[in-house]
Amino acid sequence: DQQVKQNSPSLSVQEGRISILNCDYTNSMFDYFLWYKKYPAEGPTFLISISSIKDKNEDGRFTVFLNKSAKHLSLHIVPSQPGDSAVYFCAARGYGGSQGNLIFGKGTKLSVKP
Amino acid sequence: EAQVTQNPRYLITVTGKKLTVTCSQNMNHEYMSWYRQDPGLGLRQIYYSMNVEVTDKGDVPEGYKVSRKEKRNFPLILESPSPNQTSLYFCASSLSAQGGYTFGSGTRLTVV
Repeated sequence: DQQVKQNSPSLSVQEGRISILNCDYTNSMFDYFLWYKKYPAEGPTFLISISSIKDKNEDGRFTVFLNKSAKHLSLHIVPSQPGDSAVYFCAARGYGGSQGNLIFGKGTKLSVKP
Repeated sequence: EAQVTQNPRYLITVTGKKLTVTCSQNMNHEYMSWYRQDPGLGLRQIYYSMNVEVTDKGDVPEGYKVSRKEKRNFPLILESPSPNQTSLYFCASSLSAQGGYTFGSGTRLTVV
């Protein structure tokens, strides 16, 4: 049973507009959420994270929003650039002894058109 | 340069022939982990380690072994590889649980 779900396999956005990538989770014990970006033939790279005690974290063009009651988080990229075209993975981590257990969604492929 | 190094980058092997994929990090990270990436399935965690001699199963540990005898190294061992272990494997490390993992460049394994 998937604990972290990214229901949109792909997303296409025009350059300069906002990209919104969504992620849902089922385990209320997750305490930390992360977004990774992956280009072909490379390992994933860490993008931004948010603690479960917060509802927003911002880093430049990237903002992550967390809605704990809905078990939903989203990544906003504003403005989108062609170099943002990649696969984006949402990930979640549990408490205590399971902190090393980082669970990923299946990813959303973002295409930013010039 | 701070990095996670996996070797080899590509490997083709036959069913049943034991193999080891090495992983080394030079950042003095506590946490290390192995993932496999398959089409339509995303990244699935195989094993992780929170310190030397401390390892735990991830979501898909069957058919794999790991060891953490030194802080910097975390090899992945396939005692008897099978074709369903054909995949893209990533090693990762993290200073702390909050920091997120830094990933290596990947090892593409084909078992025939």
